[in-house]
Amino acid sequence: DAGVTQSPTHLIKTRGQQVTLRCSPKSGHDTVSWYQQALGQGPQFIFQYYEEEERQRGNFPDRFSGHQFPNYSSELNVNALLLGDSALYLCASRRREGFNGELFFGEGSRLTVL
Amino acid sequence: AQRVTQPEKLLSVFKGAPVELKCNYSYSGSPELFWYVQYSRQRLQLLLRHISRESIKGFTADLNKGETSFHLKKPFAQEEDSAMYYCALTVGGNFNKFYFGSGTKLNVKP
Repeated sequence: DAGVTQSPTHLIKTRGQQVTLRCSPKSGHDTVSWYQQALGQGPQFIFQYYEEEERQRGNFPDRFSGHQFPNYSSELNVNALLLGDSALYLCASRRREGFNGELFFGEGSRLTVL
Repeated sequence: AQRVTQPEKLLSVFKGAPVELKCNYSYSGSPELFWYVQYSRQRLQLLLRHISRESIKGFTADLNKGETSFHLKKPFAQEEDSAMYYCALTVGGNFNKFYFGSGTKLNVKP
């Protein structure tokens, strides 16, 4: 089991562009959440998906959207990129039933906006 | 609003010395608190949960509701404990949001 996998690992975009980040959860997990981690900060919750629906959302604008597919994988889309969107984007997966607080994180996608 | 504060960005101790990483939170209800750790070149991973009252790798953390704190402690630090440590809080049912602090880098010197 490769655990949580994310792609791409690094990418560079310019202001105004759009980006899509991808995440495959750990085998057996059905819930995926996304976090933004700016330099020197802790992860900030963006949103969480379960059964292909957004279940919880953090304090992020509508430019941030997501999707979950029937195989539980997920995408994070960011439109109209701003310089401030430069960050490490982490995906975390878990199983909904019997959740004990352990999130499994991917290695992240590092986005640079120029 | 929920908030987690880790006042120290960097904590340096010598091997064998006690270590305490501070975490304070703000939440009016009953929180669930965790410590997550990121070792060099590894992923962020769970270290321990307050509800389990467990000791992991010699670390313990006690929830103090009066002081709204959840400090992480270890009596004798080891070099392999050097890592980034994040305190985290969850609220609200099964679809938990996690709130993370800004992290403390622990550097254990030989």
